Amino acid sequence: EVQLLESGGGLVQPGGSLRLSCAASGFTFSSYAMDWVRQAPGKGLEWVSGISAGGGSTYYADSVKGRSTISRDNSKNTLSLQMNSLRAEDTAVYYCAKREGGGNGIFDYWGQGTLVTVSS
Amino acid sequence: DIVMTQSPDSLAVSLGERATINCKSSQSVLYSSNNRNYLAWYQQKPGQPPKLLIYWASTRESGVPDRFSGSGSGTDFTLTISSLQAEDVAVYYCQQYYITPFTFGPGTKVDIK
Repeated sequence: EVQLLESGGGLVQPGGSLRLSCAASGFTFSSYAMDWVRQAPGKGLEWVSGISAGGGSTYYADSVKGRSTISRDNSKNTLSLQMNSLRAEDTAVYYCAKREGGGNGIFDYWGQGTLVTVSS
Repeated sequence: DIVMTQSPDSLAVSLGERATINCKSSQSVLYSSNNRNYLAWYQQKPGQPPKLLIYWASTRESGVPDRFSGSGSGTDFTLTISSLQAEDVAVYYCQQYYITPFTFGPGTKVDIK
């Protein structure tokens, strides 16, 4: 059974940093591209960042580009998102999502999410 | 960026009746080389993560009831729930994966009338 378990969320002051993690199990992690998608309270879904199966290619939304770094450790089945210079508008539930086997942006499994709150 | 719009914002349908949600992309998401539409639909129930329903505009994900169907091509797409059940109350999102940044529609809330 595919499981994605996010952690690392919490309350952080504007300008602060946070590192989100996603522990994956139930599939061959190193064979699949992975992504982060966020959802502000009461709002819709926003794709944040993606990384290829091997980690050699990364992609970012303009809203986080230059402030965030996505990475993965295929030996530990872990996906990460380092977020710096956080702003109030980064407040959201951050979901880890697995892409389907072809590498297209079809998100076939999602974690339960971790809440990031940026506030003083 | 490709902008996704959905209509209506919300709808209430009687149990057993049809629910239809429309999605429009600001540019075509049909890739001519493989004749595939890079369009997915997700269902999100309160307090839960999204769940994949449909991809390639009309391919139902494994385990999804056949009352859910997707159609359309190019820039105009439709998600149809043929006979609404109580468990279908949720917000439904379309998403394009033709090009990054992947973008979602604003969502359509479906309720029981």
